[in-house]
Amino acid sequence: QKEVEQNSGPLSVPEGAIASLNCTYSDRVSQSFFWYRQYSGKSPELIMSIYSNGDKEDGRFTAQLNKASQYVSLLIRDSQPSDSATYLCAVNRYGYGGSQGNLIFGKGTKLSVKP
Amino acid sequence: NAGVTQTPKFQVLKTGQSMTLQCAQDMNHNSMYWYRQDPGMGLRLIYYSASEGTTDKGEVPNGYNVSRLNKREFSLRLESAAPSQTSVYFCASSDDRADEQFFGPGTRLTVL
Repeated sequence: QKEVEQNSGPLSVPEGAIASLNCTYSDRVSQSFFWYRQYSGKSPELIMSIYSNGDKEDGRFTAQLNKASQYVSLLIRDSQPSDSATYLCAVNRYGYGGSQGNLIFGKGTKLSVKP
Repeated sequence: NAGVTQTPKFQVLKTGQSMTLQCAQDMNHNSMYWYRQDPGMGLRLIYYSASEGTTDKGEVPNGYNVSRLNKREFSLRLESAAPSQTSVYFCASSDDRADEQFFGPGTRLTVL
């Protein structure tokens, strides 16, 4: 049973547009949510963490969490070609400071930003 | 501050050979992890260590062993490599106070 679902893409947006990446998760008790960016041939890089319902903004990135709908999203404003990468959604079943080894990753959405 | 480091970066093995992948972190994190990443499968947890002296199996532990040598170092051993173990291996670490995980650069392993 898949636990973290993402559209594999590719999602193609023009430079300067808003890119919207979505993720759903199946375990209702999940408490911690993360977005990682992975460039081709590189390792995942943590870009956002969110723990409570609502929006969290960091520069051009906004993470949105809706626990009732079991949905987390990442918005990238003013998208740049350098944002072209695969974005991984990750969910910790047991929450903040919870049991280690329980970070479940989605398979990622490939984003392409066209100049 | 190097973060999480891994050696080697690339390795080619023949079926049946053994090798150890090394991982070290300088962030004073208690928890360390080994993942493998395969096309279409995403990141899958092999083993993790919540603290020095403890290790636990993840989703795909078969064919692997681990050692938490000290707080900084966590190694992954393939005793008898198989072609199915061809993958990219990532080590990660996290602070217990927040469950954010930070990844090393990875090891690309090919088993012929």
